[in-house]
Amino acid sequence: AQKITQTQPGMFVQEKEAVTLDCTYDTSDPSYGLFWYKQPSSGEMIFLIYQGSYDQQNATEGRYSLNFQKARKSANLVISASQLGDSAMYFCAMREGRGSNFGNEKLTFGTGTRLTIIP
Amino acid sequence: GAVVSQHPSWVICKSGTSVKIECRSLDFQATTMFWYRQFPKQSLMLMATSNEGSKATYEQGVEKDKFLINHASLTLSTLTVTSAHPEDSSFYICSAARRFSNQPQHFGDGTRLSIL
Repeated sequence: AQKITQTQPGMFVQEKEAVTLDCTYDTSDPSYGLFWYKQPSSGEMIFLIYQGSYDQQNATEGRYSLNFQKARKSANLVISASQLGDSAMYFCAMREGRGSNFGNEKLTFGTGTRLTIIP
Repeated sequence: GAVVSQHPSWVICKSGTSVKIECRSLDFQATTMFWYRQFPKQSLMLMATSNEGSKATYEQGVEKDKFLINHASLTLSTLTVTSAHPEDSSFYICSAARRFSNQPQHFGDGTRLSIL
């Protein structure tokens, strides 16, 4: 079974509008972390935002916020006031566990969503 | 923020040659480095996990004799694609992490490998 599911292969959004990128996850581990990364056409992976499973509040970083619904196992990324430079691939990822290997856990990535901002 | 340098960024070589890709963490000691492979328009697939001073752990289906990983220090890991063939052409990207840190993995800029 897929651990990270991104159901939107592509999205087109008008500039300055808000956009929500969906991500659902599957884990039986009570301790996990969820990440969103942006990958422009140049290829580098840019970290956007992180949500820990025990965090009480939804994470926010500037124009990025994470709509974390634990019971539904969803961690949607919300980008407010989209800009042309937001056009890129967006990946949701999860790391599991908080044992002795904490910090070194491997990430599992979703298939990504290609976001295109229309001027 | 933390910086991870990956070199080279682009390489084109003939079939049968070996190619070495370096991944350096420039401002922190990386206890673990990860190597990913990404085909066009696809997601990142983890190839192997490299811990400093020990053998790499390879994911299922990844040939360890084909993709040699060395993590000799806390700031450097290398991936060598041995006897590369056209099917090895891909985007390879590394990331670095530090044990007991809540920080995200920091990625290099990736290496585009094209085998002719």
